[in-house]
Amino acid sequence: DQQVKQNSPSLSVQEGRISILNCDYTNSMFDYFLWYKKYPAEGPTFLISISSIKDKNEDGRFTVFLNKSAKHLSLHIVPSQPGDSAVYFCAANAGGTSYGKLTFGQGTILTVHP
Amino acid sequence: KAGVTQTPRYLIKTRGQQVTLSCSPISGHRSVSWYQQTPGQGLQFLFEYFSETQRNKGNFPGRFSGRQFSNSRSEMNVSTLELGDSALYLCASSLFARGGDTQYFGPGTRLTVL
Repeated sequence: DQQVKQNSPSLSVQEGRISILNCDYTNSMFDYFLWYKKYPAEGPTFLISISSIKDKNEDGRFTVFLNKSAKHLSLHIVPSQPGDSAVYFCAANAGGTSYGKLTFGQGTILTVHP
Repeated sequence: KAGVTQTPRYLIKTRGQQVTLSCSPISGHRSVSWYQQTPGQGLQFLFEYFSETQRNKGNFPGRFSGRQFSNSRSEMNVSTLELGDSALYLCASSLFARGGDTQYFGPGTRLTVL
């Protein structure tokens, strides 16, 4: 039972354009969501997060949108740069006694072409 | 501030052996979580420790165990290694691992079981 899903295994965009990465979840107990960027053989790097009490959070070129009714979140990167090419994971935490447990999606490979 | 460190970075073991991996969290972080990343299963939560106590555990067999020391450093142990234990093992630290608390990952330990 995959509670966090990233349905697009890969995404290719041109430098300077917008990248939109999507994530769906099924567990209504999730109340904190994070996006990580990962290169092969390295640990995930934290990008941005959002609490379920918000519907948008911005940090520089990165914006995360949360639609609780649709159980959907998305990460927008504007403008996209070649250095953004990596695997992007969304993750969710259920709070409460779910200490330290992040549930991850399968990842989306983003390729930004110069 | 130094990030999360993990040692060793690479390990090769044979079936039936046991292995111990080490993780040093970011200074001041008291929670350490461990994850296993494999191509087939993605990133999966193993367990979380806070103040030397295991507070949460994922769905892994008892061969996987861990502990945390008074300085918040953590170790995980895998006994009776199987081929399927070959993976990237990641640890992450956070202040309290409660809702809204971001986890920061180390570079990982690549374990190969022959």
